[in-house]
Amino acid sequence: SQTIHQWPATLVQPVGSPLSLECTVEGTSNPNLYWYRQAAGRGLQLLFYSVGIGQISSEVPQNLSASRPQDRQFILSSKKLLLSDSGFYLCAWSVEGVEQFFGPGTRLTVL
Amino acid sequence: AQKVTQAQTEISVVEKEDVTLDCVYETRDTTYYLFWYKQPPSGELVFLIRRNSFDEQNEISGRYSWNFQKSTSSFNFTITASQVVDSAVYFCALGNDYKLSFGAGTTVTVRA
Repeated sequence: SQTIHQWPATLVQPVGSPLSLECTVEGTSNPNLYWYRQAAGRGLQLLFYSVGIGQISSEVPQNLSASRPQDRQFILSSKKLLLSDSGFYLCAWSVEGVEQFFGPGTRLTVL
Repeated sequence: AQKVTQAQTEISVVEKEDVTLDCVYETRDTTYYLFWYKQPPSGELVFLIRRNSFDEQNEISGRYSWNFQKSTSSFNFTITASQVVDSAVYFCALGNDYKLSFGAGTTVTVRA
């Protein structure tokens, strides 16, 4: 069966510091991968998605970036965090572009 | 552009009451998918159901049921005989190709 992992689970970072969140999927090949952000009490905003290694599509302009160095690994990064980057970050995967399955999420607080 | 509207921000019920969550969508696509997800306090989104645009048959799964009406662009979700464990945020989503558009979510609180 498929499993999706995200780490860390929680993170507190100062403004201006770098960020690296990692997501890995097990039990499937060539999945579509997604990064979402959920601000407190809000819905989900799609940040990036990837249909293959090295292929990244950005949905909203921001100071975040994503990379997919391996088939089942998706990384969300920032060189300098802003206060507005605080939120709950969710990674998801899908096959054939249909329903998406989500990881446990990373709760990021930028102080 | 695709849009999903969940007009109910919060619903509070007493255990064993039924609760219906509304979802209205907009799309110009002729083929699309509709979804419901549950987000318990732990935060992880749990997939509940997928519906294809060409299949308007309603579905029941235990205490959960879904009513898809293409004529009104609605995909409503009913929890029958609610339980405290049903307390969560529920999201409706619309998808085509690789992406999903989510509604703002409805927070359901079930009181004992």
